[in-house]
Amino acid sequence: AQSVTQLGSHVSVSEGALVLLRCNYSSSVPPYLFWYVQYPNQGLQLLLKYTSAATLVKGINGFEAEFKKSETSFHLTKPSAHMSDAAEYFCAVSAATGNQFYFGTGTSLTVIP
Amino acid sequence: GAGVSQTPSNKVTEKGKYVELRCDPISGHTALYWYRQSLGQGPEFLIYFQGTGAADDSGLPNDRFFAVRPEGSVSTLKIQRTERGDSAVYLCASSLGPGQETQYFGPGTRLLVL
Repeated sequence: AQSVTQLGSHVSVSEGALVLLRCNYSSSVPPYLFWYVQYPNQGLQLLLKYTSAATLVKGINGFEAEFKKSETSFHLTKPSAHMSDAAEYFCAVSAATGNQFYFGTGTSLTVIP
Repeated sequence: GAGVSQTPSNKVTEKGKYVELRCDPISGHTALYWYRQSLGQGPEFLIYFQGTGAADDSGLPNDRFFAVRPEGSVSTLKIQRTERGDSAVYLCASSLGPGQETQYFGPGTRLLVL
């Protein structure tokens, strides 16, 4: 079975500061991991995904995430926050033989000018 | 190209009524998923289609919920005898296949049951 835990339902950072959104997963098989962003009144948009290739994954809009098997983590980072990064962020896990994504409860990112 | 589209964008209905929610996936995507997202929560899986058949319907909460995909493209999620607890955003996603394939999400249908 797979599951995801996102620590911190709300995160606030100053514009230009480091963004760190935490995601820990549980999986009985090698996982595939995803980060999605959801802007107000819009659909989920893929930021990046890990599918067992490089452990450091680079995504759109300057975001990246590192798969750490020993820590069962897939934290999302961005060196410098922009006002436009304010949104809801979801981490998700699936398995190679799985049919569904298991989503975390989301982290709402606020960027303070 | 066109993304996943969902209609209607908003639906208000009364308790006990029947509703249908439609999803148009990305052309060529054989896999189609329905999720339900309640306020403050992440999307929860409802059902997965591979082609025309429902390969996994383990997430449907009860027999009031049903979904079809008769020609392997458009899908309809049907809810009978709606209850206030059914109020949520219903999301549709499509992908080239299961597992590692990226799921592309539509904007959702916001259902409100009064």
